[in-house]
Amino acid sequence: TQLLEQSPQFLSIQEGENLTVYCNSSSVFSSLQWYRQEPGEGPVLLVTVVTGGEVKKLKRLTFQFGDARKDSSLHITAAQPGDTGLYLCAGPGSKHQFGAGTQVVVTP
Amino acid sequence: DAGVIQSPRHEVTEMGQEVTLRCKPISGHDYLFWYRQTMMRGLELLIYFNNNVPIDDSGMPEDRFSAKMPNASFSTLKIQPSEPRDSAVYFCASRPPGGRREQFFGPGTRLTVL
Repeated sequence: TQLLEQSPQFLSIQEGENLTVYCNSSSVFSSLQWYRQEPGEGPVLLVTVVTGGEVKKLKRLTFQFGDARKDSSLHITAAQPGDTGLYLCAGPGSKHQFGAGTQVVVTP
Repeated sequence: DAGVIQSPRHEVTEMGQEVTLRCKPISGHDYLFWYRQTMMRGLELLIYFNNNVPIDDSGMPEDRFSAKMPNASFSTLKIQPSEPRDSAVYFCASRPPGGRREQFFGPGTRLTVL
């Protein structure tokens, strides 16, 4: 099983600030996915990164896949309260291993 | 278009009782996954099906847990007998065929075993 470690576990910031969360592994992944889970709901896919060094943008969210395809980061610019949630990274394959997640809280 | 449907949304039961969780995947999806989420252990894959056939149940904690998928539009996860440590949120997810690996999650069932 390829383990995914996410950091930090918890992040609390004020509206308008920037933040970065990380997903790391000792294994090489063919792809990585990022999900966001809001309270009382299931995770929802944000993006899939496939190519080493790839950068994808989703409005104020920027996702990067490491050159060696062992790590990924999610950067949020000018965070808003609506960005509050649990951010999960997941590996490929049918078993879809998930990291423990980073809980992000953005206060007005 | 309806997403993944799970029932019940909340279940409170007493230790030793049988619990049955239900899931209706998105029509046309050929993979179905059952997960359990707790604060301590995060999101854990319990079992998954492909075309109604169980492929990997290595995540099922013990024999008290069982899952079935009698047809493409329905699956159940049963716990018998239930124990307090089974308290968690149980998610069902489905995935469409083809190379796209996105999983679509249901809203979850919050199970409390007293």
